[in-house]
Amino acid sequence: AQSVAQPEDQVNVAEGNPLTVKCTYSVSGNPYLFWYVQYPNRGLQFLLKYITGDNLVKGSYGFEAEFNKSQTSFHLKKPSALVSDSALYFCAVRDDSSGGSYIPTFGRGTSLIVHP
Amino acid sequence: NAGVTQTPKFRVLKTGQSMTLLCAQDMNHEYMYWYRQDPGMGLRLIHYSVGEGTTAKGEVPDGYNVSRLKKQNFLLGLESAAPSQTSVYFCASTGLAGYNEQFFGPGTRLTVL
Repeated sequence: AQSVAQPEDQVNVAEGNPLTVKCTYSVSGNPYLFWYVQYPNRGLQFLLKYITGDNLVKGSYGFEAEFNKSQTSFHLKKPSALVSDSALYFCAVRDDSSGGSYIPTFGRGTSLIVHP
Repeated sequence: NAGVTQTPKFRVLKTGQSMTLLCAQDMNHEYMYWYRQDPGMGLRLIHYSVGEGTTAKGEVPDGYNVSRLKKQNFLLGLESAAPSQTSVYFCASTGLAGYNEQFFGPGTRLTVL
């Protein structure tokens, strides 16, 4: 079984400050982890993913995420937030032991609001 | 590459009417999915397909049917629309490897009166 949690419905940050959007997961095997962003009235766009290897993953638009196996977390980070980063962010997980079932589980999403 | 496209973009139905939403992808992806997105509910999987001619139920399949007659197309049908089906519908596709990310369409906003 696989599950993912985004504990914050909303994150507020001032422009120029670092931001973190939290994600924790649970899987039976090893996780494939993904972050997506959704701008208003748009579909989800892929930001970055963790498959294996280096725990720090770099993605689009200056975002990065840190995989922490002991804490089962995959938090999304950016050193300096922009107003244009304001959007809805989704974390997703797929268990590599799920035997070919390509059904990722999505979190409920976190609304990021960056204030000027 | 157009990626994943959806038609129509908007639709208003009356209760009891039927309609079909079309999803098309030009990336030769094996897997395709239909989700609905409602405020506070995140994404919920309706149906999915692991290849041409195959479909399977997701988390919330009731009231919907799907077909995948061609690899590049995935159709979502509502036989008798209900107000509870008012939502934004997203199609997605992905390649064979389990670590591949999904590509999403722009969405269809459906209102059932």
